[in-house]
Amino acid sequence: DAGVIQSPRHEVTEMGQEVTLRCKPISGHDYLFWYRQTMMRGLELLIYFNNNVPIDDSGMPEDRFSAKMPNASFSTLKIQPSEPRDSAVYFCASGRQWTSREPQYFGPGTRLLVL
Amino acid sequence: AQTVTQSQPEMSVQEAETVTLSCTYDTSESDYYLFWYKQPPSRQMILVIRQEAYKQQNATENRFSVNFQKAAKSFSLKISDSQLGDAAMYFCAYRSASGGATNKLIFGTGTLLAVQP
Repeated sequence: DAGVIQSPRHEVTEMGQEVTLRCKPISGHDYLFWYRQTMMRGLELLIYFNNNVPIDDSGMPEDRFSAKMPNASFSTLKIQPSEPRDSAVYFCASGRQWTSREPQYFGPGTRLLVL
Repeated sequence: AQTVTQSQPEMSVQEAETVTLSCTYDTSESDYYLFWYKQPPSRQMILVIRQEAYKQQNATENRFSVNFQKAAKSFSLKISDSQLGDAAMYFCAYRSASGGATNKLIFGTGTLLAVQP
């Protein structure tokens, strides 16, 4: 398996622009997670899905952030409008059902810079 | 709520030596999983080792092993025969096994490991 795939790997945009981050989870995984990593706040869970349904979005910072999972093999995280404080590395991770001892597997991350 | 604490922001080890990274956690649950992830400069999060709370035997993966002390809520990572490629940020993480809306990882703040040649 190719692992979790994220695109783009790097994104530079200007404040106010819309940003869309994409993720393809590992086939057969029924959980998908979006994390944000910054120096100040470390790794934060933004939202996670189970069987394409959002389960916990309490980590989404504000209404400018939205996430969708239209099918089992694709998810997006959208920021509209973007702000400089959104600059971070965004990770997507996937995993099997909660009863499994298997961990979450992370994608390579998208490094976002908002100018 | 569960918390994970890594009290060593930075550690250093000589190549070929052994180093231990500390992790403690707080939980009222009896069934859970613990993980160590490695994040090299590439930023990729890589699973190093995992431990089920119900297992008394400490997990081992090649040069990596853990010292799991359930009563003390401690989960340290030992790296033997350290190599230059081990240099990275190491994160300890906790995950409940109780199901429901708890299938999320709770991370510590990380320990930055430097390996000296």
